[in-house]
Amino acid sequence: AQTVTQSQPEMSVQEAETVTLSCTYDTSESDYYLFWYKQPPSRQMILVIRQEAYKQQNATENRFSVNFQKAAKSFSLKISDSQLGDAAMYFCASLTEAAGNKLTFGGGTRVLVKP
Amino acid sequence: KAGVTQTPRYLIKTRGQQVTLSCSPISGHRSVSWYQQTPGQGLQFLFEYFSETQRNKGNFPGRFSGRQFSNSRSEMNVSTLELGDSALYLCASHWGATYNEQFFGPGTRLTVL
Repeated sequence: AQTVTQSQPEMSVQEAETVTLSCTYDTSESDYYLFWYKQPPSRQMILVIRQEAYKQQNATENRFSVNFQKAAKSFSLKISDSQLGDAAMYFCASLTEAAGNKLTFGGGTRVLVKP
Repeated sequence: KAGVTQTPRYLIKTRGQQVTLSCSPISGHRSVSWYQQTPGQGLQFLFEYFSETQRNKGNFPGRFSGRQFSNSRSEMNVSTLELGDSALYLCASHWGATYNEQFFGPGTRLTVL
């Protein structure tokens, strides 16, 4: 079984500053994907970034980047130059081929952006 | 291209009733998954449908069921509603292969009184 843990219920960041969200996961599979999803107050879940486990290079999408530590089973998200629109719930999720297309989510981290 | 749509957006029911939620995937997507989101349990996978067949199922009681039509639209049904069924129900669609990006709809907020 897969588990995903987000230890930070809430994080606060000043506009234009950087914030890092933590995520640890556990899986016995060797092939898996990891994701960060953003859920703003409108509730629509949006994919922020994805990482294939077989790729050593950390994924980057504009101001969003991850630090993927496979041995430590850690998958943190860094938001650089934070903007007011980044305020949302952020969910870390995993997916393995063995589990089909079932996403396993962490409990979420609420990000507050202060102007 | 239109995104994933879910109807209705809000629903209020009483205990013991049943409810049907609808999800229309992005055009061309053949897979639809359903998730339940509650403050206590977080996001939990309900089931996935692909080409009108249930392909994967989460750990929910038999009161939760679903189906998929030939146009890939999906419905989920909850019978004999309980207070604990109050939740945001999200559906996600994708092309069908493993690891395809899943696109989420805005959700249906179900309140059981």
